[in-house]
Amino acid sequence: QKEVEQDPGPLSVPEGAIVSLNCTYSNSAFQYFMWYRQYSRKGPELLMYTYSSGNKEDGRFTAQVDKSSKYISLFIRDSQPSDSATYLCAMIPYGQNFVFGPGTRLSVLP
Amino acid sequence: DVKVTQSSRYLVKRTGEKVFLECVQDMDHENMFWYRQDPGLGLRLIYFSYDVKMKEKGDIPEGYSVSREKKERFSLILESASTNQTSMYLCASSTGTGGVGEKLFFGSGTQLSVL
Repeated sequence: QKEVEQDPGPLSVPEGAIVSLNCTYSNSAFQYFMWYRQYSRKGPELLMYTYSSGNKEDGRFTAQVDKSSKYISLFIRDSQPSDSATYLCAMIPYGQNFVFGPGTRLSVLP
Repeated sequence: DVKVTQSSRYLVKRTGEKVFLECVQDMDHENMFWYRQDPGLGLRLIYFSYDVKMKEKGDIPEGYSVSREKKERFSLILESASTNQTSMYLCASSTGTGGVGEKLFFGSGTQLSVL
């Protein structure tokens, strides 16, 4: 079993839809959780960062962490064509290196 | 804004060539990383460095070496390029706090093709 599993996608949704992207993990030592967005042929950019269970909101984006279930989600409201990208979840235990999910490719169709 | 700059966006090299990929960060970050990214395999850590002249092997160091002579610069070296090293190479840096606030910032990537 991989340390971090992510919905494989690809995912296609119509503009304006609510998108849910999900990751599960097996290592209870993971403390800090991130979502990265990666446009085609570009490097990943940090989108959201959180370290506690619960929800964190930033504009149209909400990151949700459930440490008891070892599950994190990213919700995108009112999705736009500009949200079309690959989304990577990442997590890190204290004092160790980052671990990434394989990514989910999202297409938002106008 | 944090800036991680990779010297080349695209590179084409021949098998057996020695290849240098350069990366510079401007945020005085302690840690720097080299990843490669391949379809279906995700991001894989090649090498990382916690300090000047320090280096640690990641998950797939074979065929690669690194150099960190200055804090802001981290170089990846392919000693003798092979076709299976064709990939997207991503440099990253992080704050190095090891806890709350630890964040990883990436460069734009270098797409290397080895013919």
